[in-house]
Amino acid sequence: EAEVAQSPRYKITEKSQAVAFWCDPISGHATLYWYRQILGQGPELLVQFQDESVVDDSQLPKDRFSAERLKGVDSTLKIQPAELGDSAMYLCASSSNPMVLRAFFGQGTRLTVV
Amino acid sequence: AQKVTQAQTEISVVEKEDVTLDCVYETRDTTYYLFWYKQPPSGELVFLIRRNSFDEQNEISGRYSWNFQKSTSSFNFTITASQVVDSAVYFCALSDALIKAAGNKLTFGGGTRVLVKP
Repeated sequence: EAEVAQSPRYKITEKSQAVAFWCDPISGHATLYWYRQILGQGPELLVQFQDESVVDDSQLPKDRFSAERLKGVDSTLKIQPAELGDSAMYLCASSSNPMVLRAFFGQGTRLTVV
Repeated sequence: AQKVTQAQTEISVVEKEDVTLDCVYETRDTTYYLFWYKQPPSGELVFLIRRNSFDEQNEISGRYSWNFQKSTSSFNFTITASQVVDSAVYFCALSDALIKAAGNKLTFGGGTRVLVKP
């Protein structure tokens, strides 16, 4: 079965440094999501793309977070500068339908900010 | 605003026992989807089931069964004859069923960790 690819799997970074995560959705999936999952909690949506356009970034801390999906395929999520509170799992998901009939998730990037 | 509550943070059972996970949701939408996802230690969320708000029929899939009660806004999940491989965190989620310009998203509950002991 096709998978959503994310890299890196783990990242340790120092406070105030920049960090970036990459996601390659399932081929043909126009809808892409970035979720943040703090340890012990459920995932929360950071940003949703439909093709290359952002349709929801209401929960994205725009002073330090940015996301792009330039060609409507793979996507990058960046944090600059990283803060201790950013330590979390960052999950990417994709769906063939904007109605989220079924979202496929990657294995995530676990970020630790020290 | 949508909200999903999973009151049980952790459940521990012995293998072969049944375990029921509770999920209560809030939404102002008249049509919506409900989901259950499993998150094993490897991290990825694995889709288990999707139910449409119009379909209150209970569903069984192998050892898994789901009880959807619209009157109480609940969508509970039961694992029958649990096995060690069922150990994971389980999330209930909600999404609206009409395409919205602002995007449709999954709203997750806080998750229930299930530990099945041999």
